[in-house]
Amino acid sequence: QVQLKESGPGLVQPSETLSLTCTVSGFSLTSYGVNWVRQPPGKGLEWMGTIWNDGSTDYNSALKSRLSISRDTSKSQVFLKMNSLQTEDTAIYLCARGRDTDYWGQGVMVTVSS
Amino acid sequence: DIQMTQSPSVLSASVGDRVTLNCKASQNINKYLNWYQQKLGEAPKLLIYNTNNLQTGIPSRFSGSGSGTDYTLTISSLQPEDVATYFCFQHNSWPTFGAGTKLELK
Repeated sequence: QVQLKESGPGLVQPSETLSLTCTVSGFSLTSYGVNWVRQPPGKGLEWMGTIWNDGSTDYNSALKSRLSISRDTSKSQVFLKMNSLQTEDTAIYLCARGRDTDYWGQGVMVTVSS
Repeated sequence: DIQMTQSPSVLSASVGDRVTLNCKASQNINKYLNWYQQKLGEAPKLLIYNTNNLQTGIPSRFSGSGSGTDYTLTISSLQPEDVATYFCFQHNSWPTFGAGTKLELK
C-alpha cells in the first residue's frame, strides 16, 4: 500500500539548516511527484514545494530563496533542505503524494529554538 | 498567488444535519479544488478532488460542487465522526490552502 513517512531532527537552532527526508513506498517517484507542506502549531497548511515525477521542482515564492527539494529514486526518498531557519519556521512538516495530494505522511514536528 | 477564503471559520451543527462549507478563490481555479478533513493530531485526509470526485473509501454523505471561484463541500447527514477541521486546496496554479472550517457538534 501507499505510504509516506517523514523523518528528521525535532529541534533546530535558529539560523541553521533544516534537513528532512520523506521515504515513500507503494509507488515510484518516477510516476508521482511529492509535495512538502507545513503546518505551524494551531494554524493552517502551507504548500512549500513539489518535486515532480520528472525531477523538476516548483517552490512557494515566499520560501524559494531558502528551500531546496531533491530526491533519490533508488532509495524512494525525497529530501527537503531549508536554510536560515527562524522561530516562525516551527511547524509540523508533511509530505504528500502527487498533484492531488491523495496520500500523506503523518508529519514530523520541527521546533526552531536555541 | 491565489487566495482561498473559507467560510464559516467555525460551524456548529447537530447529528443528522445537512452541512455546507464554502471556499472562495480570488480568481478562477478551473475546478482544481480539493477538500481535506483533518482530525486533531492526524494528517489531512483527502475527501474530494477536482471539485466533485469522491476519493476512494470516503463515505457518500460527502460531496463537492462548484465552478469558477466558488466551491462547496456538503455533508448530507452529519455524523459524530465528522467532527474535524476541513481545508480546501487549489492546484490550478501555485498551490494554496484555505484557512479551514472547524466543524463542531452542537
